[in-house]
Amino acid sequence: NAGVTQTPKFRVLKTGQSMTLLCAQDMNHEYMYWYRQDPGMGLRLIHYSVGEGTTAKGEVPDGYNVSRLKKQNFLLGLESAAPSQTSVYFCASSYGGGAGEETQYFGPGTRLLVL
Amino acid sequence: RKEVEQDPGPFNVPEGATVAFNCTYSNSASQSFFWYRQDCRKEPKLLMSVYSSGNEDGRFTAQLNRASQYISLLIRDSKLSDSATYLCVVNMGTSSNTGKLIFGQGTTLQVKP
Repeated sequence: NAGVTQTPKFRVLKTGQSMTLLCAQDMNHEYMYWYRQDPGMGLRLIHYSVGEGTTAKGEVPDGYNVSRLKKQNFLLGLESAAPSQTSVYFCASSYGGGAGEETQYFGPGTRLLVL
Repeated sequence: RKEVEQDPGPFNVPEGATVAFNCTYSNSASQSFFWYRQDCRKEPKLLMSVYSSGNEDGRFTAQLNRASQYISLLIRDSKLSDSATYLCVVNMGTSSNTGKLIFGQGTTLQVKP
């Protein structure tokens, strides 16, 4: 099993450009999450999904959109990148959301620099 | 007040030392608790869950005090390979079981020879 994979690993964007980050998991997990991690801020939840075709906002959703068309994939889109979106983005998945199911498994991260 | 608070450190300790990290959480309804480990420029990985009765995994011991809303991690006989950032993680728990976890900002441990 590859676990959780993320594409790309690193990207440089100019302000105003758009891009899509791809997350894929092969563990048949129902729940998937997108986080950003900034120095001194810890991990902050951007959006999450509790199943195929569903998405919901997390703590810091502004400037991002997501889609979960297939159970194994969770896409994060930036429509018009801003320097404030420079960060490390982690995708994670879990079997479920209840007690005993909520352990999250993370991808290796995508480092994004917006100039 | 942050929902999950940790002392960011860094904690610099010699090999073989015992070190303890503490974490407090704000929501008394929180249901599940974890410690994750994150190596430099890597993704977080589950280290251990924290149970009400306390639990041990080799050199690592986790404790939970619900009355004080306090979680701890004790590392005995520190190894160089223990150098990492340790994240305190709490599932606040809701009726919808979203699985949303709240992460502390992490405590950095540096074990020196």
